[in-house]
This record gives sequence, C-alpha cells and structure tokens, in this order.
Amino acid sequence: EDQVTQSPEALRLQEGESSSLNCSYTVSGLRGLFWYRQDPGKGPEFLFTLYSAGEEKEKERLKATLTKKESFLHITAPKPEDSATYLCAADNYGQNFVFGPGTRLSVLP
Amino acid sequence: DGGITQSPKYLFRKEGQNVTLSCEQNLNHDAMYWYRQDPGQGLRLIYYSQIVNDFQKGDIAERYSVSREKKESFPLTVTSAQKNPTAFYLCASHPFGRGNQPQHFGDGTRLSIL
Repeated sequence: EDQVTQSPEALRLQEGESSSLNCSYTVSGLRGLFWYRQDPGKGPEFLFTLYSAGEEKEKERLKATLTKKESFLHITAPKPEDSATYLCAADNYGQNFVFGPGTRLSVLP
Repeated sequence: DGGITQSPKYLFRKEGQNVTLSCEQNLNHDAMYWYRQDPGQGLRLIYYSQIVNDFQKGDIAERYSVSREKKESFPLTVTSAQKNPTAFYLCASHPFGRGNQPQHFGDGTRLSIL
C-alpha cells in the first residue's frame, strides 16, 4: 500500500534557528511530490512541486529537495510567521494524492 | 480571481439532522475531492469526482453523500447517521488528466454538534 510519512510530528524552533522537515514516501510510482503550508482554520496552500530525484525548489526561507525515497523541506533562519503545519503529498499516478499527516512547526520570537 | 469557495465557514448540527456543505470552484478543474481533517491527523478522503454525474467513494465514505450535477459544484451531505461528524472538512480540485499539477484547496468548513 502506498504511504507517506512525515517527521517530526511537531517542531519548535527559536527565530533564526534553521532546521529540516522530512517526508518519506513509499509509492508504486511517483509523478510528483507536493509541499503545502496550512495555517490554523485554513485550507492547505500549495508551496512546491518536485518531479525527480535531485530536484530542488526555493521560495524565500524555504527550500525543498527530493531523493528517491524522501523529500526535505529546509527552513533557513525561520521567522514566527513561518509557524504552520506543513503537509507533503505524493501523486502516485492514481486517482488521488497520498497525503502525509503533517509537521506542526512553531517558531518562537 | 480563480479559486475554491466553501460555505459556510462554521456549521452546527443538531441530533438527527442532515447538513450539506457547499463547495464551488471557478478553476475549470475536472476533478473535485472532499477530505475530513481531525485534530492532529492528516487528510482522509471521503469522496471524489473526476467528471460530472460520476463520483467514487474514498476511504471514509460511509454515512456521507455527494452529488456532481455541475462541473463547478460538489456539495457534501453529512447524514444524521454519522455519529461523530465534528471535524474540519476540506474541498479540493485538480485539473485531472493534466499531470504534475497540485490539488487546490478551499478554506474549509468546521462542523460541530450542538
């Protein structure tokens, strides 16, 4: 069965303290790996799509990378406004995406 | 501005009552989805539709129902038989068949029991 897991479940960082979030996937085939940001009481907001191992995408303080088994979301010098839940999802050529449970990030001032 | 509109934002259900959650999109996407999100948990698929007048059950379809009479609209009914409907409900759309595209989400409806 195709599966996506994320770690850690929750992460607390001080402002400026860089770290990485992990998304591990086990799928029969990968058409794309997607990262989303979700604020409390809101729907997930699309951040990045990664298609093949070795690919990297950047946006402000965020950088997403992809290997054959996992993806990382690197957060450099985070600010309190980066606090959110980060979801990853795999498009496995099926009729739906496989979503991970998310990592809840808190950045303290 | 294209997007997905879910209404209402908050909904309260009495015992024995069916309630319907609205989802409208103007992105011209073929596929639409309903997810349930419980605190601290990921997204669980309720129903999805890839074309008008057709839909399929997801992982937790029991005691929910949907319709897809128009491409733009995919309402979800939570039946009175659903014993624990309190959750955050998210609607999404996708340009199915145009690969490598993300799903786009609405801002959700929070359903609570009175």
